[in-house]
Amino acid sequence: DAGVIQSPRHEVTEMGQEVTLRCKPISGHDYLFWYRQTMMRGLELLIYFNNNVPIDDSGMPEDRFSAKMPNASFSTLKIQPSEPRDSAVYFCASSLERDRGKAFFGQGTRLTVV
Amino acid sequence: AQSVSQHNHHVILSEAASLELGCNYSYGGTVNLFWYVQYPGQHLQLLLKYFSGDPLVKGIKGFEAEFIKSKFSFNLRKPSVQWSDTAEYFCAVNAPFGNEKLTFGTGTRLTIIP
Repeated sequence: DAGVIQSPRHEVTEMGQEVTLRCKPISGHDYLFWYRQTMMRGLELLIYFNNNVPIDDSGMPEDRFSAKMPNASFSTLKIQPSEPRDSAVYFCASSLERDRGKAFFGQGTRLTVV
Repeated sequence: AQSVSQHNHHVILSEAASLELGCNYSYGGTVNLFWYVQYPGQHLQLLLKYFSGDPLVKGIKGFEAEFIKSKFSFNLRKPSVQWSDTAEYFCAVNAPFGNEKLTFGTGTRLTIIP
């Protein structure tokens, strides 16, 4: 398996624009997580899904953020409108129900909002 | 809610020195504990985990961690570090039994000087 695949790797956008980050989890994994990493706040869990269903979105900062998982092999994290303070590295991770806590992370998307 | 504290933000060591990175967590119940590593330019990888049993856990690349329940600690150790251990290390915790939410510490940057 190629691991968790995220796209794009880098994104630079202007304030106010819509940004969509994409993630393909490892095939067969039951859980998918979206994390944000910044210098100030470290790694923060934004939302996670179990079998495509959002379970905990308490980490989503505000209504500008939304995440979907239309099927087991694809998820998106959307920011609309984007703001400079959204600049961060966004990681997607997936894991198996039977191997809890062992999350496999993607390479991340480095988002810069100018 | 659980939280994780990593008090050392940046540690610099010479090769062959011994390493101990501190991790303390805050949670009233049973927890699962993890150490993840992020090598420069790469994604996070699981280094080791503790679910139950022997509180001294062995991980990959010669790392180990000891769970001390009375101190709410899960410190990471390695007797002799190598230049290739230069990376950022994250301690994480989740509450078992249905909650997959991993809470990460802010990370400790480890720099090994040849």
